[in-house]
Amino acid sequence: SAVISQKPSRDICQRGTSLTIQCQVDSQVTMMFWYRQQPGQSLTLIATANQGSEATYESGFVIDKFPISRPNLTFSTLTVSNMSPEDSSIYLCSVINFKGRNEAFFGQGTRLTVV
Amino acid sequence: AQSVTQLDSQVPVFEEAPVELRCNYSSSVSVYLFWYVQYPNQGLQLLLKYLSGSTLVESINGFEAEFNKSQTSFHLRKPSVHISDTAEYFCAVGSMMDSSYKLIFGSGTRLLVRP
Repeated sequence: SAVISQKPSRDICQRGTSLTIQCQVDSQVTMMFWYRQQPGQSLTLIATANQGSEATYESGFVIDKFPISRPNLTFSTLTVSNMSPEDSSIYLCSVINFKGRNEAFFGQGTRLTVV
Repeated sequence: AQSVTQLDSQVPVFEEAPVELRCNYSSSVSVYLFWYVQYPNQGLQLLLKYLSGSTLVESINGFEAEFNKSQTSFHLRKPSVHISDTAEYFCAVGSMMDSSYKLIFGSGTRLLVRP
């Protein structure tokens, strides 16, 4: 299994500001993803973080709003830019290591409240 | 495109009764199937998975799920639930499309076990 450290665990931010969330994995992984889980709802895939290149975004998510970096195989960041109250959510980092398992591991999440 | 449907948003059940949480999916390619559980105020944990082989898969805490390709279903069952099984359960489908892997989640089913 992979151990994922996600920081910060929670934050309260003013609208119009930006927050960068960090995801650190204890081993090299094949794929890293960012999800959003709004209160009482399921997980929505924001993007796939690609090492050394631009992330692949899902429909409804754009790079200007959610810039993502992945400089190496164990680390990624997600920035929530120009925040509004609608961005209040839990943001989750997820990793998959394709070595016969294909299961995704999740960080504990970052609970973001925008006021 | 792939999708996951969990028809039941909430399933109330008495302790020691059997339960089935339904999951149906659609995909044009081969899939991997997962059930994740989220206990209150905790992160996502993998409950069980189907990658290949036997269509009946089991977890260590008494849950089982059966992959039914003809009905495109992966229902989760437990013959006798405990209070501690109260949680949100998410069905997820993973597949390779356009040389990238994605894990898509259903809307979730809240299992409420009552004494």
